[in-house]
Amino acid sequence: DQQVKQNSPSLSVQEGRISILNCDYTNSMFDYFLWYKKYPAEGPTFLISISSIKDKNEDGRFTVFLNKSAKHLSLHIVPSQPGDSAVYFCAAASNAGNMLTFGGGTRLMVKP
Amino acid sequence: KAGVTQTPRYLIKTRGQQVTLSCSPISGHRSVSWYQQTPGQGLQFLFEYFSETQRNKGNFPGRFSGRQFSNSRSEMNVSTLELGDSALYLCASSPFLGGGELFFGEGSRLTVL
Repeated sequence: DQQVKQNSPSLSVQEGRISILNCDYTNSMFDYFLWYKKYPAEGPTFLISISSIKDKNEDGRFTVFLNKSAKHLSLHIVPSQPGDSAVYFCAAASNAGNMLTFGGGTRLMVKP
Repeated sequence: KAGVTQTPRYLIKTRGQQVTLSCSPISGHRSVSWYQQTPGQGLQFLFEYFSETQRNKGNFPGRFSGRQFSNSRSEMNVSTLELGDSALYLCASSPFLGGGELFFGEGSRLTVL
C-alpha cells in the first residue's frame, strides 16, 4: 500500500524553464509534506516543506503547492538550472515524530 | 559543523551473518532515524530514536534492531542476513521531535552474497 506516490519516474526540462514535480498521497493524517533532493552517492538533502494547514510555501526558486482536497502536492522550480538535475523525493510526516513516508522519486534532468 | 557520519560506508557479508552499522548525528541533534533504500522498495523507514528511546518502528522483521546511546550516537543491527537485505542504509538526524526535516548521512551500502 503506497501512501505516497510519484507517478513520473523521470522529467526532462530545458534550462531556464519551469520544472513541475508531482506527488499524490492517500493518508489524511499526514501533517507535513516535504521535498528532498538526492545526488548519486549522497544522502537526501532537505529542500522545502509545507504544513497541512497551508497551501503554498516558497523558498527562492522553489515553491511547493498543497491541494488537500485532491491529496496532491507539487514542487515548482523556476528557473530550472543544470545543477538541479537530481532525484527528487516527496515525503510525508506526522507531528508524532520524524517517521517519513517517501514516494518513489522523480529523476529531473535539466538540459543546458 | 560536521554532518551525519555513517560507518562503514561499504561492506560485504554472506547470508546468515549479522551486521552492525553506526551513525553519529550532527552535534546537538537528539533524534536519529534509519531508512533502507532499495531499487524495488525505494526509501523505507526502519526506526526512530530520541533520547535513547525508540519512538517509531517501521514494518521490518525482528531481525532489524537498533539502539541509541546517551551521546545520541546510534547503531542498527541486522541478524541472519538475507540476500534481500542488500541495500543502502541511511541514517538521519534532526534537532526536532517532529516535522520531518532530516539531515541524512551518505549511507552504508550493504551487499549480502
